Amino acid sequence: LAKTTQPISMDSYEGQEVNITCSHNNIATNDYITWYQQFPSQGPRFIIQGYKTKVTNEVASLFIPADRKSSTLSLPRVSLSDTAVYYCLVGGLSSGNTPLVFGKGTRLSVIA
Amino acid sequence: DAGVIQSPRHEVTEMGQEVTLRCKPISGHNSLFWYRQTMMRGLELLIYFNNNVPIDDSGMPEDRFSAKMPNASFSTLKIQPSEPRDSAVYFCASSLPNRGISNQPQHFGDGTRLSIL
Repeated sequence: LAKTTQPISMDSYEGQEVNITCSHNNIATNDYITWYQQFPSQGPRFIIQGYKTKVTNEVASLFIPADRKSSTLSLPRVSLSDTAVYYCLVGGLSSGNTPLVFGKGTRLSVIA
Repeated sequence: DAGVIQSPRHEVTEMGQEVTLRCKPISGHNSLFWYRQTMMRGLELLIYFNNNVPIDDSGMPEDRFSAKMPNASFSTLKIQPSEPRDSAVYFCASSLPNRGISNQPQHFGDGTRLSIL
C-alpha cells in the first residue's frame, strides 16, 4: 500500500494561505492523489484530486512535483470555517491501483 | 440534491445485541463504501460494492460483521453479536462509476455513532 505521511496538526491565522504537504514515496504509476476535508460530526468531503503538475478548483490548489513523491494542498486565505481535518489519499479502486487508505490526517486550526 | 443518507444517526445498545446500520446512496452512484472511524485507528475502509456486488471485504474485522446491498438504493452493515470494541462512527459513502484508473470522488453520509455498552 502506498503510505502517506502528513503533519499531525497545523495552526494558521485567518486570511493566510495554508499549505499542507503530504509525502507518498511509494506511489504507483496509476495512482491518483486525492484530498478530503472532514468537519466534526460529519463525513469527509472531497476537495481536489490530481495526477501530476497543478490542479486548481474553486476552493484549493494541488501541486504535484514531477516525481510525484509528494503533493501540497494549498488553501488560499483561510477562514475560521476552514478549521477541519485534511486527509491525503493515494491510490484508487480500479485494477492496478493501490486501495484507498485514509491516514490520520492533518488537523488545521484557523485562529482569528 | 439528497446526499448519502444513513440511519440511525446514533445507536446505543448492550453488548451481544444485533446492530443494523442502514445506508441509502446517491441515486445514480454504483459504488458504495462502508468505513469505520475511531480515534485510535482513524478512518478504515471495511467493504465496498460495485453494482451491488461486494468487491473487497478485506477490511471487515471479523465474521461478526456482514454487509449486504440488495439493490442499488440500499445497503446494510450488520454486527452480530456486538462488542464494546465495535463502538465507533460508521460512515457510508457512494460514488459514480470509476472509469479507467481515475477515482471518482466519494460522497459521505453523516455517519452513525455507535456505542456498545
